[in-house]
Amino acid sequence: ETGVTQTPRHLVMGMTNKKSLKCEQHLGHNAMYWYKQSAKKPLELMFVYNFKEQTENNSVPSRFSPECPNSSHLFLHLHTLQPEDSALYLCASSRDPGGSGGDEQFFGPGTRLTVL
Amino acid sequence: AQTVTQSQPEMSVQEAETVTLSCTYDTSENNYYLFWYKQPPSRQMILVIRQEAYKQQNATENRFSVNFQKAAKSFSLKISDSQLGDTAMYFCAFMRRVWGGSNYKLTFGKGTLLTVNP
Repeated sequence: ETGVTQTPRHLVMGMTNKKSLKCEQHLGHNAMYWYKQSAKKPLELMFVYNFKEQTENNSVPSRFSPECPNSSHLFLHLHTLQPEDSALYLCASSRDPGGSGGDEQFFGPGTRLTVL
Repeated sequence: AQTVTQSQPEMSVQEAETVTLSCTYDTSENNYYLFWYKQPPSRQMILVIRQEAYKQQNATENRFSVNFQKAAKSFSLKISDSQLGDTAMYFCAFMRRVWGGSNYKLTFGKGTLLTVNP
C-alpha cells in the first residue's frame, strides 16, 4: 500500500449504531487530519493530530471521537450520528504542520458515510 | 476569518483548449501559501500546484500555471491544452499558520467542477 488509505470506502449506519473509520498513511508523515466533505460546501477541517497529539478540534460535535495511536494511524469513532452527518470523510497527512509551512497535504480516497 | 471564494461552480472546455479557473481569498496575513487541488471522479484529492505568497514569480507545473496577484488577493489557475483526464473538481486552498498553535491551517473554497469535452 502506498500513500494514504482509508477503510471502509462506503458505510451505511443507523443513528443508534457505533462504527469507526480508519486511516493509514505510508508516507512517514507526522501530521494527520480529518475533513468532512458535504455537497456544495467547502471541505471542513475537523481534527488535526501532530505527532499523535491533537492540536485542533474545529468545534466538532462529541458524537465524533478521533483517536491517533501513532503517527501512521488515525481513527474516527462514530456514535449516535444524525442524517446530516452523511458526507464524504477524508483523511489527509503532511510531513510536519509545525515546520516551515506550506507542506502539501496528501489525501486518502475517503469514506462515503450514509446515516439513515 | 480567512475565506476562499471560487465564483465559478461549473465550467466546461473543449479538449486541447485553454481554461482559467478563478479564486479570490481574504486575509490580513502577509505570509501564507496557496494551493490548487484536483479531485477526479474517483475522489482522491491530489495537489496540482503550490504558490508561496512571498514569491512574486507565478508557479508553473507543465500544463498548469497560476496568475498570483497578491495585492488583489487573486489566485487563478490556467490549464493549457486541456485533456479529458483534467475533468475533475478543482479546489483552491489557502494555508496560514495558526497563531499560538503548532500547525498550519488549510481553508478550501467550494470548488469548480471542470468538464473537458472531446
